[in-house]
Amino acid sequence: DAKTTQPPSMDCAEGRAANLPCNHSTISGNEYVYWYRQIHSQGPQYIIHGLKNNETNEMASLIITEDRKSSTLILPHATLRDTAVYYCIADKLSFGAGTTVTVRA
Amino acid sequence: DGGITQSPKYLFRKEGQNVTLSCEQNLNHDAMYWYRQDPGQGLRLIYYSQIVNDFQKGDIAEGYSVSREKKESFPLTVTSAQKNPTAFYLCASSLTGGEDYGYTFGSGTRLTVV
Repeated sequence: DAKTTQPPSMDCAEGRAANLPCNHSTISGNEYVYWYRQIHSQGPQYIIHGLKNNETNEMASLIITEDRKSSTLILPHATLRDTAVYYCIADKLSFGAGTTVTVRA
Repeated sequence: DGGITQSPKYLFRKEGQNVTLSCEQNLNHDAMYWYRQDPGQGLRLIYYSQIVNDFQKGDIAEGYSVSREKKESFPLTVTSAQKNPTAFYLCASSLTGGEDYGYTFGSGTRLTVV
């Protein structure tokens, strides 16, 4: 089962793009990469997922490297409401500690 | 609207008592999961079930028990054997095969032992 590694925290200026990295070097060929975010004391919320192609939706973009060993979640124009913990998972049974993103005005 | 419901939102328990947390989903998802979250920490898997009448232990199953008698329901019992039960408990559900949108989470139950 694939495990993921994320930086523990990062800051971002409001209105700027936030790029959140995730390493998943042990991911298998049929495992998707999922991103979630959790605002304090709430359940995590789905953001986006992908297999090998880059993906975009109304919330974010997901860039997956060609070897699928890492990915980057891009919040194109961060707002104060994007302050949250962001989780990258490649295995539904394994959540890491995620990245705490703080968006500053 | 389809979704996953956890109840109660807040729960207080005296030491030595068992307590059951409810989790119900109407998404027709096959799999259901229970996670525990401590302050400033990530989610740790307690139990999961991929089919009715079957479930598997996660990383921290000691002191907990579950049942899966119906597809829609996956209650978690925190027993008196759980030494440090005060935590935020999250239930989730998902499909089990192919591409899907991963988990749908409930809003959580905050358990406090008094």
